[in-house]
Amino acid sequence: EAQVTQNPRYLITVTGKKLTVTCSQNMNHEYMSWYRQDPGLGLRQIYYSMNVEVTDKGDVPEGYKVSRKEKRNFPLILESPSPNQTSLYFCASSSSLPLRGTEAFFGQGTRLTVV
Amino acid sequence: AQSVTQLDSQVPVFEEAPVELRCNYSSSVSVYLFWYVQYPNQGLQLLLKYLSGSTLVKGINGFEAEFNKSQTSFHLRKPSVHISDTAEYFCAGFSGGYNKLIFGAGTRLAVHP
Repeated sequence: EAQVTQNPRYLITVTGKKLTVTCSQNMNHEYMSWYRQDPGLGLRQIYYSMNVEVTDKGDVPEGYKVSRKEKRNFPLILESPSPNQTSLYFCASSSSLPLRGTEAFFGQGTRLTVV
Repeated sequence: AQSVTQLDSQVPVFEEAPVELRCNYSSSVSVYLFWYVQYPNQGLQLLLKYLSGSTLVKGINGFEAEFNKSQTSFHLRKPSVHISDTAEYFCAGFSGGYNKLIFGAGTRLAVHP
């Protein structure tokens, strides 16, 4: 089954404790991205990657890191989480840039709370 | 500025009634437009998309949307809703200059019996 898998689904952590949210897709997609969803703001892009070893900042990259060492994986790293990073996070992938009208497939989401 | 605006944050409606969820996009957003649905505790799922051609686009679950270039709108409609349509709906447009989808703030559709 084609899918994007995020882990964990729920996470409560303390300020400053490094964490990683994993994302993996099994569709051989080139394009992957991370979004955060906040009430009244919709989804905002954090980082995206157009292929292995190619990543770039989205709208709200501060406080986040990503890496793309393999095509299928695109982990999101919070080196020193802060309470303003409490949010619902989504990983998405598509076979090419959305410019070509390709559908983006989303993971189930990770609800992160930083206390 | 590039933006996608969803005009209603919440839309309550009774079962079997028609519904329209409104979306406007700025002229700087390309005319590749999408509607996604998010059911409770799930990720986003594509409902339909407009790339070119016919301005009336049909999607899954009986939804359709009409692209209107003069009004820069891409409203989503369904003639008769079901309880199972209760979800949050996101309109999105592609920003070619920034290689990303721009999402609206979302509209929460609540269908009541």
